[in-house]
Amino acid sequence: SQLAEENSWALSVHEGESVTVNCSYKTSITALQWYRQKSGKGPAQLILIRSNEREKRNGRLRATLDTSSQSSSLSITATRCEDTAVYFCATDADTGYQNFYFGKGTSLTVIP
Amino acid sequence: DPKIIQKPKYLVAVTGSEKILICEQYLGHNAMYWYRQSAKKPLEFMFSYSYQKLMDNQTASSRFQPQSSKKNHLDLQITALKPDDSATYFCASSQDRGAERLFFGHGTKLSVL
Repeated sequence: SQLAEENSWALSVHEGESVTVNCSYKTSITALQWYRQKSGKGPAQLILIRSNEREKRNGRLRATLDTSSQSSSLSITATRCEDTAVYFCATDADTGYQNFYFGKGTSLTVIP
Repeated sequence: DPKIIQKPKYLVAVTGSEKILICEQYLGHNAMYWYRQSAKKPLEFMFSYSYQKLMDNQTASSRFQPQSSKKNHLDLQITALKPDDSATYFCASSQDRGAERLFFGHGTKLSVL
């Protein structure tokens, strides 16, 4: 069964707007990670947020974590065309980063 | 300049044949992994290796056999190929098993006819 899942299959925004991708997960975790995959490339890590953290920022990206509801969000402000990609959340399912379990991903299109 | 090299980028095979997917990493990492990405499915963990030893296998089929000839190599041999094996196979690495970040290659897209 899927241990992490993004809540939207696809989103589109106009350049400059903000967007939020949501994720829910099913087990306790050491940390939750957000990855981005551009077309034809492998996923690349954006942000890691540990189970004892509530918020993490990386430039225009902001991740939140709510362990009580087992959910996370990734917000992107001032979107750019190059943000067009598939965004994944991934958890380690409390294995101490031994294994990573990814959601199916949310496809984000930023319209010029 | 990619630090994780996967070869080939695209691969077409016939049902029943055998193929080897190549992966080399030049990040100096000690742990390597294989993941599979099928259409409309999550990125699926397959194998993890640490210092050339198999640590975890979550692939049900014995048709998938990883092979590590060097610390920075982790190839994936797939035998008796089936159309359902069609997917993009990603090699990944991390500094050590249990590291917080995975680094992925660009993938090998396998199509089985």
